[in-house]
This record gives sequence, C-alpha cells and structure tokens, in this order.
Amino acid sequence: SQQGEEDPQALSIQEGENATMNCSYKTSINNLQWYRQNSGRGLVHLILIRSNEREKHSGRLRVTLDTSKKSSSLLITASRAADTASYFCATETAGGFKTIFGAGTRLFVKA
Amino acid sequence: NAGVTQTPKFQVLKTGQSMTLQCAQDMNHNSMYWYRQDPGMGLRLIYYSASEGTTDKGEVPNGYNVSRLNKREFSLRLESAAPSQTSVYFCASSAFGQGSTNEQFFGPGTRLTVL
Repeated sequence: SQQGEEDPQALSIQEGENATMNCSYKTSINNLQWYRQNSGRGLVHLILIRSNEREKHSGRLRVTLDTSKKSSSLLITASRAADTASYFCATETAGGFKTIFGAGTRLFVKA
Repeated sequence: NAGVTQTPKFQVLKTGQSMTLQCAQDMNHNSMYWYRQDPGMGLRLIYYSASEGTTDKGEVPNGYNVSRLNKREFSLRLESAAPSQTSVYFCASSAFGQGSTNEQFFGPGTRLTVL
C-alpha cells in the first residue's frame, strides 16, 4: 500500500508559471521528502521537511506540511523547461528505514 | 565520486532464469535499499540493509533475495524470474543511522524484462 499519494497525476504549464503539487499520506510521519526523477534516470532528493516544521524553502522550491491534514505541497516558482520531470513525495515513519513513495506527479513545462 | 552504481543497465530474461543485480556505493553509507518501479507507480521497497551484515524485508520481497556483501555492495537476486518481475530496479543508499535523516541517493536503475 502506498503512504503518499500525489495530486495531480500530471500537470502541464508554460515556462515562467508556478507549479504546485500536493501529497497526502495516511499515518504519522517523522519527515516528508520530495524527489525528482527525470525520464529514464534515478531519483534525486530535493528537500526534506520535518514533522515539526510547517514550511521550508530551497531556491525556487517551497514545501509546506500540514500534519493535521496529513498533507504536503511542493511549489516550484518561475518554472523552466528543465523542471520537466516526475516529482515524488516520500514519507519516513518511526523506525525510518521503510520510506514510502507516492505514485508521483508528472510535470511538463512548455518552453 | 561515482555515487551509486548499478549493473547491468538492461537485461532480458526468460521465465525461470536467474540473475543477480549488482549495486555499489562509495559514500560510506551504512544503509542500502532495493526498490522496483512499475509504470504509473512510485517506488516499492523490496529489501533493505540497515548496516553491513543485516538485511530486512520491505513491502514486496517475494521472489527476491539479497546479499550485503560488504559496506559498499548490496546485490539483488532473482532465483526464478517471472513476467511479473518485469520492472525497473533502483538501488539507493543513505547515511540513515549515522546521525542523518533518510535522504537517499539513487543509482541509474536496471531495466529488466522477463519474457
């Protein structure tokens, strides 16, 4: 069973627009991570937010976490064609080794 | 530093054949993982190794075995391949258990087709 579920499944935007992806999960977590996967490649870690944090920034990325709603969002500002990829949320529960990934959001940024 | 490397990149097997997927990391990480990724789905954990000498089952271990050969290497073996094991396999490592969160570093993947 998958802990994290992303929404939307796919998103197509123009370069320069903002992209927002959402993740919902089912059980209590220690932290939540976002990863990017370019076509045919492995996943790359983007950002981690701990359960006691509400918002975190890294460059053009902004992540929010609402533990009461068991949800997180990833905002990519001023998107670029190079941001075209799939984005996955991953939750780490107590114990930590069994990180659980969602099915991902496929983002397509048109130049 | 190469990070996480996997071999082979591609493999085609016939049902019933066996093979071993190799993974190595050069980041001195204690923890290593094997995942499979099927179309339209996220990664599912097959096995993990919290440290050298230990291995544990993940979400979908049936049909697979693993060996943590040393701190660097973690292999995944399919004893009798089945078409349901057609997938992309990713190896990952992390410094979890070494005072770090479980931020994982991934290899490029092995695309396996079982006919």
